[in-house]
Amino acid sequence: NAGVTQTPKFQVLKTGQSMTLQCAQDMNHNSMYWYRQDPGMGLRLIYYSASEGTTDKGEVPNGYNVSRLNKREFSLRLESAAPSQTSVYFCASSAGQGSSYNSPLHFGNGTRLTVT
Amino acid sequence: AQRVTQPEKLLSVFKGAPVELKCNYSYSGSPELFWYVQYSRQRLQLLLRHISRESIKGFTADLNKGETSFHLKKPFAQEEDSAMYYCALSGRGSYIPTFGRGTSLIVHP
Repeated sequence: NAGVTQTPKFQVLKTGQSMTLQCAQDMNHNSMYWYRQDPGMGLRLIYYSASEGTTDKGEVPNGYNVSRLNKREFSLRLESAAPSQTSVYFCASSAGQGSSYNSPLHFGNGTRLTVT
Repeated sequence: AQRVTQPEKLLSVFKGAPVELKCNYSYSGSPELFWYVQYSRQRLQLLLRHISRESIKGFTADLNKGETSFHLKKPFAQEEDSAMYYCALSGRGSYIPTFGRGTSLIVHP
């Protein structure tokens, strides 16, 4: 049981290049999320997917696109990378909204992205 | 709108000293509060949540609806507690958690 797996762990891009961050979970969770972590800014939600087949914008979606390929996988794409997108990216999953209480998030190890 | 405030970016204490990491929230509905921890070079992981009312690694947190706070406390800090701590809020109307900016705890020997 690997939990949430992200690839790659590190990436360096030049301005204007594109790339896709991959994320997969094996916990049969309904909801998946992409966050970015920046010093002094905490974790900010980029996009989320409440369930297979749906995606929604979070707090900072500009410059990103996502795909919920199936229940397990949720990818994040940078079409034209910019230096402002230098950050650590975390994928997370959760069972979603419960009948009684909301379930906590399970995180991947993160991807450290540098855009020069 | 829901908001989480962690007023301290950095908290520095000596081993054996009490620790309190502050978290205040703003939410009009019924809140659910969480503390997540990130040790150096590790993934974020859930430390505790208010509905569990349990102590994890010696840490406790009590939801105070009157003061809209969910402070994390430990009576005697250990060096291995050094980490980044995030307070998070979700609610019945919006299960998507909102995170605070985090507090870096450093415990000196």
